[in-house]
Amino acid sequence: AQSVAQPEDQVNVAEGNPLTVKCTYSVSGNPYLFWYVQYPNRGLQFLLKYITGDNLVKGSYGFEAEFNKSQTSFHLKKPSALVSDSALYFCAVRDMDGAGSYQLTFGKGTKLSVIP
Amino acid sequence: NAGVTQTPKFQVLKTGQSMTLQCAQDMNHEYMSWYRQDPGMGLRLIHYSVGAGITDQGEVPNGYNVSRSTTEDFPLRLLSAAPSQTSVYFCASSVAGINTDTQYFGPGTRLTVL
Repeated sequence: AQSVAQPEDQVNVAEGNPLTVKCTYSVSGNPYLFWYVQYPNRGLQFLLKYITGDNLVKGSYGFEAEFNKSQTSFHLKKPSALVSDSALYFCAVRDMDGAGSYQLTFGKGTKLSVIP
Repeated sequence: NAGVTQTPKFQVLKTGQSMTLQCAQDMNHEYMSWYRQDPGMGLRLIHYSVGAGITDQGEVPNGYNVSRSTTEDFPLRLLSAAPSQTSVYFCASSVAGINTDTQYFGPGTRLTVL
């Protein structure tokens, strides 16, 4: 079975400071990893993904994430937070090799609040 | 190109009533799925489909039925609504196959069961 853990329900950061939203995963095979963002009363929007290759992945709105296989982590980062980054962030994993490989498993979400 | 559309946006049902949540996409995506979102639970997969005529169960399928008669449409049916089905429902679609990747989400349906 595949699973995702987002250990922080909420992250608060001052505008202009770097931000990190944590994610760890568990799969039996090789992982596809994703970050999605959800603004209030909206559906989820794709931010970035790791499939293979470079461990540092760059995505939309200046976000990036680093894949660390030994730590089974895929933390989301941004060098300088904006108030408009305040939203709910979801990490998701799909097992490339598993029987249920079409299924994405989402974490519970982390609420990011950027304080002006 | 409308992407993924869902209707209705809001719905209130009484216990025992039935209804269908509609989902349509115009991107010719093979893969479609339904999730429910509950506070503190994240998104949980209800049912999914890898193409017309093919559906399968996800993590929380009980109380829900689906069918996929066309590539474009993937309706979710609640046969006898229960208060435990109060949730926000999202439909998503993506290109199927070994390179299945980015899912495109609809705006959601907020369902309340009294």
